Amino acid sequence: EVQLVESGGGVVRPGGSLRLSCVASGLTFDDHAMHWVRQAPGKGLEWVSGISWNSDRITYADSVKGRFTLSRDNAKNSIYLQMNSLRVDDTALYYCAKGFGSAPTGPIDYWGRGSLVTVS
Amino acid sequence: QSVLTQPPSASGTPGQRVTISCSGSNSNLGINIVNWYMQLPGTAPKLLIYSNNRRPSGVPDRFSGSKSGTSASLAISGLQSEDESDYYCAAWDDSLNGVVFGGGTKLTVL
Repeated sequence: EVQLVESGGGVVRPGGSLRLSCVASGLTFDDHAMHWVRQAPGKGLEWVSGISWNSDRITYADSVKGRFTLSRDNAKNSIYLQMNSLRVDDTALYYCAKGFGSAPTGPIDYWGRGSLVTVS
Repeated sequence: QSVLTQPPSASGTPGQRVTISCSGSNSNLGINIVNWYMQLPGTAPKLLIYSNNRRPSGVPDRFSGSKSGTSASLAISGLQSEDESDYYCAAWDDSLNGVVFGGGTKLTVL
């Protein structure tokens, strides 16, 4: 069974930084692209960033470009989201999500339970 | 304002068939597959339909998807009370170089 477990969320002041982590199990991790998707309280889903299986393709939503950095460590079955210059509107539940294939262009097929980031 | 457009709400009675639309553009639905997700309150989204019309293992065949041009739709037949949920469409956007979601449709079973 695929499991994705996020950590690293918390409360941070505007302008501050946080680093989210996600550990995956139950899959051949380096066969799959990975993503971060966020959901502000009471709002819809917003894609944040995606990374290919070998990190050669990393893409970002315009809303976070230049502030967030996505990386992965296939040896640790993990992805990381370094979030800098945080703003109040970055407040959301951040989901780690698995891609169906090796490129971030494919469907997202599994989601973690999320890690809450509050910027206040 | 979402790149993909969905109606904010839909409703139906038990046993009915309901459809939820998703409208996009040439850079997303026009050239890429659409995927649909279901999100029950307080839980993570769950993949319902992928590659326009394919169901993951475990998803009942009451759920079906279709796509034509820059529009897609999710159909739910034999509506059940447990189908009451939020539904989202999503696709890759070649212009934005990222995944785009619809704003979500809240389905109420009357």
